[in-house]
Amino acid sequence: ETGVTQSPTHLIKTRGQQVTLRCSSQSGHNTVSWYQQALGQGPQFIFQYYREEENGRGNFPPRFSGLQFPNYSSELNVNALELDDSALYLCASSLKLAGVRGADTQYFGPGTRLTVL
Amino acid sequence: TQLLEQSPQFLSIQEGENLTVYCNSSSVFSSLQWYRQEPGEGPVLLVTVVTGGEVKKLKRLTFQFGDARKDSSLHITAAQPGDTGLYLCAGANYGQNFVFGPGTRLSVLP
Repeated sequence: ETGVTQSPTHLIKTRGQQVTLRCSSQSGHNTVSWYQQALGQGPQFIFQYYREEENGRGNFPPRFSGLQFPNYSSELNVNALELDDSALYLCASSLKLAGVRGADTQYFGPGTRLTVL
Repeated sequence: TQLLEQSPQFLSIQEGENLTVYCNSSSVFSSLQWYRQEPGEGPVLLVTVVTGGEVKKLKRLTFQFGDARKDSSLHITAAQPGDTGLYLCAGANYGQNFVFGPGTRLSVLP
């Protein structure tokens, strides 16, 4: 148990719809990263939020957007869903320390399995 | 773009056998992590290596970071069915976000 929770567990949507996925970070963590993991592949970085601001983005189109709230929980929103968006969406929380250089230790949630029909 | 390759892609062995899986890149990383992921769950961190040539042991698992910090290996001694899962390596470069490899899917048969 990492203390990172995600909801919902599973979700089925149709092409063109919009979806919102939620993540509660581990207590004391201030950073949330979102990843997309297609079947049989490793996780692909979508973006990261640090203290409510976007702090890095991977190679995903603008229809993937996010938010981080004052309690450091986060949402991932995907508009105009496409069939290829079907995947496991993972969030990972970490504690980023100001002025400390180096990659954070990330703790992953169980993921949300999104199916787009 | 930093890319990580992992080999083999799939590995099926009998309980008690030893195995090594590899993680390779043409890029240098400041740190590299290994995760294990089971079906329906998120990846669980096994180890972080940060120094070239570093070797870390975690019970029956031995992790090595290459001298040039471009590659890593994971060796499992006397594999058990509980070791079954997807093994992922992920590299980062000085505060940048992690790049994951595609993983090695290990099956240990009783």
